[in-house]
This record gives sequence, structure tokens and C-alpha cells, in this order.
Amino acid sequence: AQSVTQPDIHITVSEGASLELRCNYSYGATPYLFWYVQSPGQGLQLLLKYFSGDTLVQGIKGFEAEFKRSQSSFNLRKPSVHWSDAAEYFCAVGARSNMLTFGGGTRLMVKP
Amino acid sequence: GAVVSQHPSRVICKSGTSVKIECRSLDFQATTMFWYRQFPKKSLMLMATSNEGSKATYEQGVEKDKFLINHASLTLSTLTVTSAHPEDSSFYICSASRPGTRKETQYFGPGTRLLVL
Repeated sequence: AQSVTQPDIHITVSEGASLELRCNYSYGATPYLFWYVQSPGQGLQLLLKYFSGDTLVQGIKGFEAEFKRSQSSFNLRKPSVHWSDAAEYFCAVGARSNMLTFGGGTRLMVKP
Repeated sequence: GAVVSQHPSRVICKSGTSVKIECRSLDFQATTMFWYRQFPKKSLMLMATSNEGSKATYEQGVEKDKFLINHASLTLSTLTVTSAHPEDSSFYICSASRPGTRKETQYFGPGTRLLVL
């Protein structure tokens, strides 16, 4: 069975500071990995995805994520956070069954 | 591209009534749509996978007679919560996978907040 763990429930960073959100997965084969962002009361927006190839993936809004097979991780990063980045972030792993399994989410707060 | 809409965005209903939520893919045909439920401050839980023209596949623990799913066309899937009770109050989100892309890439609707009184 596949699973996703986001160890940090809440993270607070200052505007302009760098950001790293952690994601660890458990899956028996090469995973398809995703990061989504959810603003309050809204649906999810896809930030980026990894299927194969280059392990450093660029996404929208200046985000990137790095797939590290040896660590079973897919951490999301951004060099300089903006106040508008405050939201809930979900890591997800996809399987051949087309299902997405989501992590518990990390709520990002940005201090001015 | 890849816009998914949901209607209504929020609904309040009395206990015992049924509520229908629509999920539409606006600029593509979606052979597969997914229905999720999200509890407050929690992650998304997949309820069912809906394939156009066939019966939905429900996840373990989800009552198919309570949560009726109809995927009648390539752009519309509906979720009907039958005989709703207060414990059905939640945020329901649909998603759709786009033909020509891997089905694991899902585009999400804005969600429907259901409150059952």
C-alpha cells in the first residue's frame, strides 16, 4: 500500500525567507509524485509533478521539488516566500490504479 | 486550460433530504472523475472513482447507496448525498483526469461545502 507523510503540520516563515516542506512516501515501485496547494475554502491547484527523468522539478509560482529515491522524499522548496504563499500544501503519490494518496498537509503561515 | 467547476459552492440542507453536487470539466473531456471528501483541517479522502458510462468504483468504507455517483457524459459527474445527516457535513471536492495525460494528473474543482442541519 502506498502512503505519504508530511511531518510538519504547521510551518511559519518570514516573508522573503526560504521555504522547504517535507514529504516522505512509501510505495513499492517508482512513484508518481505531486505537490498541490489549497487556499482556504478552495480546491487544489497543482504546483508540480514528477513522473521520471530529472529529479529536480520546476513548478509554478517559483516552487521546485527534488525527488530523492534513497530517502523516499519529495521535498518542496521556494527560495523566497511571498505573503500570498500562505496556504495548505499537500504532497501526493499516484499509482497505476490512478488513485492519488495524499499526505496530511502542511499549513504554511507567512510573517510580514 | 484544464478547468474543473463544481456547483453549488456551498449548500445547507435539512437532515433527511438529498443533495446533488455537480462536477464539470469545462475545457476538456474527462473519462475519469474522482470524488474526495475533506474534513476540517484534514487531508483529502478519496471516496470514489467515476468512469464515464460505467458504474463508479467506491473506496472501502464508503456507502455507495448513500453517495450516488453518476458520470453520464464526458464533462459531467454528479454526487448525490441521499438522506443527508449532520455527519455528512463536509467539504466535497471533485477532480478530473485529462485524456492524453497520465490519469494520476488530476485537476481539481473548487469544492462544495455541505452543511446538514
